Amino acid sequence: DGGITQSPKYLFRKEGQNVTLSCEQNLNHDAMYWYRQDPGQGLRLIYYSQIVNDFQKGDIAEGYSVSREKKESFPLTVTSAQKNPTAFYLCASSGHGYDTDTQYFGPGTRLTVL
Amino acid sequence: AQSVTQPDIHITVSEGASLELRCNYSYGATPYLFWYVQSPGQGLQLLLKYFSGDTLVQGIKGFEAEFKRSQSSFNLRKPSVHWSDAAEYFCAVVGGYNKLIFGAGTRLAVHP
Repeated sequence: DGGITQSPKYLFRKEGQNVTLSCEQNLNHDAMYWYRQDPGQGLRLIYYSQIVNDFQKGDIAEGYSVSREKKESFPLTVTSAQKNPTAFYLCASSGHGYDTDTQYFGPGTRLTVL
Repeated sequence: AQSVTQPDIHITVSEGASLELRCNYSYGATPYLFWYVQSPGQGLQLLLKYFSGDTLVQGIKGFEAEFKRSQSSFNLRKPSVHWSDAAEYFCAVVGGYNKLIFGAGTRLAVHP
């Protein structure tokens, strides 16, 4: 089955720690995205990558970092510089054939800071 | 700047009743519009999308949406709601560089 996987489903972090969220897709999509979701605020874009070895900051990139070494993978690191990291994180991908604008989402990772 | 407004934060309907969720967008060119649904603790599932052509778009699970350029709206409808439709619904528009701009969402509750 083609799709997007995110791991872990739940993640707990102590203050001052960096943590990395995994996102993998086997849809052969070129573009990948990371969003943060907080109650009542919809989704906000953290980073996006339209091609391997290239990525751009979204609207709320401070305190986060990413890499795109493989087409299938787009891991997100939440650094200790992110002051309020507790949230639900969603990964998405798009871009195959003629339908390059439709984003498909993974199941999400819920990060809680202890 | 591009934006999406979903005026209703919460909506409650009875099972079997009709449903309309409102979405208004602000975008200079012809918009690419989407509706997604999210069950608690889950990712977003695409319901339907509008790129061009027929302004009435059919989606999955019996949903449809109508694009009205004159009103800058893309409202989601369903003629008869089922209890399993209880979820949060997001409207979105494609901004620059294929970035999606989301509304804040509408949470739907369904009474038996």
